[in-house]
Amino acid sequence: KAGVTQTPRYLIKTRGQQVTLSCSPISGHRSVSWYQQTPGQGLQFLFEYFSETQRNKGNFPGRFSGRQFSNSRSEMNVSTLELGDSALYLCASRVTGTGLRTGELFFGEGSRLTVL
Amino acid sequence: TQLLEQSPQFLSIQEGENLTVYCNSSSVFSSLQWYRQEPGEGPVLLVTVVTGGEVKKLKRLTFQFGDARKDSSLHITAAQPGDTGLYLCAGDAGGNKLVFGAGTILRVKS
Repeated sequence: KAGVTQTPRYLIKTRGQQVTLSCSPISGHRSVSWYQQTPGQGLQFLFEYFSETQRNKGNFPGRFSGRQFSNSRSEMNVSTLELGDSALYLCASRVTGTGLRTGELFFGEGSRLTVL
Repeated sequence: TQLLEQSPQFLSIQEGENLTVYCNSSSVFSSLQWYRQEPGEGPVLLVTVVTGGEVKKLKRLTFQFGDARKDSSLHITAAQPGDTGLYLCAGDAGGNKLVFGAGTILRVKS
């Protein structure tokens, strides 16, 4: 069974540009979450999508947005990039996300974004 | 805001030594997960602890959930170079959201 696939793996942008990252979850997983990972802050929750609806959102500015398609694939977009946006962006999927307890997250390898 | 503090931040030990990583919070979590992340990869779940006082063993790794469900520890016996990686604890904050600690970087030298 294929794992979570994220593209691109690496990208370099300049300040002010925008970027779109893509995530294909494990087949059958309907919940997709996005995290930003930096050495100083660790993993910070961005948002979660379930059945094409944003269900949870972290404390990030409006420049960070996302969406989920009917096939559960998800994209996140960052507009007007800043130097501080340089990070590893991780996508994680779960089976249903409707249980009482937050279940295991299956992570992709991440998209490494460098902003110059 | 629920926060998880992990300690130590870095740990460099010789093969065969034992170590313990701590994950502490002032908040109660319904469950707590431990992940390991290797360079260039995403985190992979090691274990989920649910009940206060619960102890789970995974080969040389022992995980414990505090009685009050506010803290957890990971103990590795006879560490091996293959244990090298970033260890992350994550608390279930409800609403299908996990709160992650900053992580402990473990390096095991042969």
